[in-house]
Amino acid sequence: KAGVTQTPRYLIKTRGQQVTLSCSPISGHRSVSWYQQTPGQGLQFLFEYFSETQRNKGNFPGRFSGRQFSNSRSEMNVSTLELGDSALYLCASSLRLEPVSPLHFGNGTRLTVT
Amino acid sequence: GQQLNQSPQSMFIQEGEDVSMNCTSSSIFNTWLWYKQDPGEGPVLLIALYKAGELTSNGRLTAQFGITRKDSFLNISASIPSDVGIYFCAGQTSTGANNLFFGTGTRLTVIP
Repeated sequence: KAGVTQTPRYLIKTRGQQVTLSCSPISGHRSVSWYQQTPGQGLQFLFEYFSETQRNKGNFPGRFSGRQFSNSRSEMNVSTLELGDSALYLCASSLRLEPVSPLHFGNGTRLTVT
Repeated sequence: GQQLNQSPQSMFIQEGEDVSMNCTSSSIFNTWLWYKQDPGEGPVLLIALYKAGELTSNGRLTAQFGITRKDSFLNISASIPSDVGIYFCAGQTSTGANNLFFGTGTRLTVIP
């Protein structure tokens, strides 16, 4: 069974630009979550989607947004990039919301903002 | 948000030794998870714990969900070089939500 797939693996952008990251969950998984990982802040929750609806959102500015498609694939978008947005962005999928099921992570997209 | 205190921050051990790391929180969690992350990769789930007091093993790994639901520990027995990596604890607070709160990580180095 294929794991969580994230594309691209690496991105370099300049300040002010926008970026879209893509995530394909494990087949059959309907929940997709996004996390930001930085050396200073660690792993922080961005948002979660289930059945094409955002169910939870972390404490990130509105420049960070996402969506989920009917096939459970998800994208996240960051607009007006700032230097501090440089991070590893991780997508995780899980089977369901209730009862809670473990999250399985992809290998991430490393975003560098210059 | 909730803060998970994970200790130790780093460990240097000889191959064959046992390892213990723990995680504490000021808040109650319904689920505790332990992940391992290798360089350039995403976290890989090691063990999931769903009930207070639960003790679960996965090969050489053993983890426990604390009775108070505010702590968990992970033990690795007879460490091997491929155990090198960063170990994270993570907690989930509620049903119907998959947002995890992560610990700060324990960096494990195994000396052959």
